Amino acid sequence: AQSVTQLDSHVSVSEGTPVLLRCNYSSSYSPSLFWYVQHPNKGLQLLLKYTSAATLVKGINGFEAEFKKSETSFHLTKPSAHMSDAAEYFCVVTPTGGGNKLTFGTGTQLKVEL
Amino acid sequence: EPEVTQTPSHQVTQMGQEVILRCVPISNHLYFYWYRQILGQKVEFLVSFYNNEISEKSEIFDDQFSVERPDGSNFTLKIRSTKLEDSAMYFCASSEIVWEGFDQPQHFGDGTRLSIL
Repeated sequence: AQSVTQLDSHVSVSEGTPVLLRCNYSSSYSPSLFWYVQHPNKGLQLLLKYTSAATLVKGINGFEAEFKKSETSFHLTKPSAHMSDAAEYFCVVTPTGGGNKLTFGTGTQLKVEL
Repeated sequence: EPEVTQTPSHQVTQMGQEVILRCVPISNHLYFYWYRQILGQKVEFLVSFYNNEISEKSEIFDDQFSVERPDGSNFTLKIRSTKLEDSAMYFCASSEIVWEGFDQPQHFGDGTRLSIL
């Protein structure tokens, strides 16, 4: 079985400051991990993916995430927040090569203030 | 960039009625999925579909639900007799072939908001 825990339901940052959205995972198998973003009234857009290659993964819009097996974490970061980053972010896990069912976290709502 | 399209964007239906949600996956994708998100809750997996059959389904996907690929482009989710608790946002997704050791990411549509009255 696999699961993800997003540690913060809401995060608020000022524009231009760093973003940190936290995610811990639990998986019986070697996991594939993803971050998706959902803007209001839109679908889920893939930000980045980890599939057992490099542990530091770069995604779109300046986001990156680091897979830390010892901490079972896959936190999402961005050096400088932009107003357009305001959205809901989902950490997602699936067992690598073990099937295609995605398990979603509860989401983190990111607010970016001027 | 190719995208998954879903219609309608919003569907309002009376309880007990049948509803069909439609999706056009990305053209070279072979795996298709439905997920739902009840307001304020997690996105939940419903079903995956490959080679014209269901490859995996969740406990939510009971006999009221069915999926079909009626032609070469559409992928549909049918709810036979809707209940109030079926009100949710339904997302369709598709991915390229999945093989052992590597997962292709799933690409999602914008969703259909289903409201049961």
